[in-house]
Amino acid sequence: DAGVIQSPRHEVTEMGQEVTLRCKPISGHNSLFWYRQTMMRGLELLIYFNNNVPIDDSGMPEDRFSAKMPNASFSTLKIQPSEPRDSAVYFCASSLAGMDTEAFFGQGTRLTVV
Amino acid sequence: TQLLEQSPQFLSIQEGENLTVYCNSSSVFSSLQWYRQEPGEGPVLLVTVVTGGEVKKLKRLTFQFGDARKDSSLHITAAQPGDTGLYLCAGAKAAGNKLTFGGGTRVLVKP
Repeated sequence: DAGVIQSPRHEVTEMGQEVTLRCKPISGHNSLFWYRQTMMRGLELLIYFNNNVPIDDSGMPEDRFSAKMPNASFSTLKIQPSEPRDSAVYFCASSLAGMDTEAFFGQGTRLTVV
Repeated sequence: TQLLEQSPQFLSIQEGENLTVYCNSSSVFSSLQWYRQEPGEGPVLLVTVVTGGEVKKLKRLTFQFGDARKDSSLHITAAQPGDTGLYLCAGAKAAGNKLTFGGGTRVLVKP
């Protein structure tokens, strides 16, 4: 298996633009997580899906952020409109079952909003 | 304030030296994981500890879970440049609960 695949690897966008980050989890995994990593705040959980259903979105910073998982092999994280403070590395991770089992991370998307 | 506090935040040592990284909390965790993250990559799981007092060894790495399951340590013996990276601890308060990550310890091992 190729592991968790994220795209794009890098994204530079202007403030106010819509940004869509994509993730393909490991086949057979039923849990998917979106994390954001910054120097100041470390690794923060944004949202967690189990069997394609959002279970916990309490980490989503505000309404500008939304995430979908239309099927077991694809998820998106959208920011609309984007702001400079959204600049960070966004990671997608998947696991076999539940939040406390081993999480396999993608390589991340480095987002820069100018 | 982070639920899981890691110390030190940064550690720079020479190849061959030993180092210890700490992960502390006032909360009890049902399990605790240690990850290593290299630049440009996502974190990769090193070990999971679930029993208070548990000690696990992975080659030159020794992981310990505190008796009260509130803290953990990672000890590296005879560090090598390949050990350079960001070490993250992550805990789950109960089985099936979400993982909370510590702020990380950045380790630099100089040749």
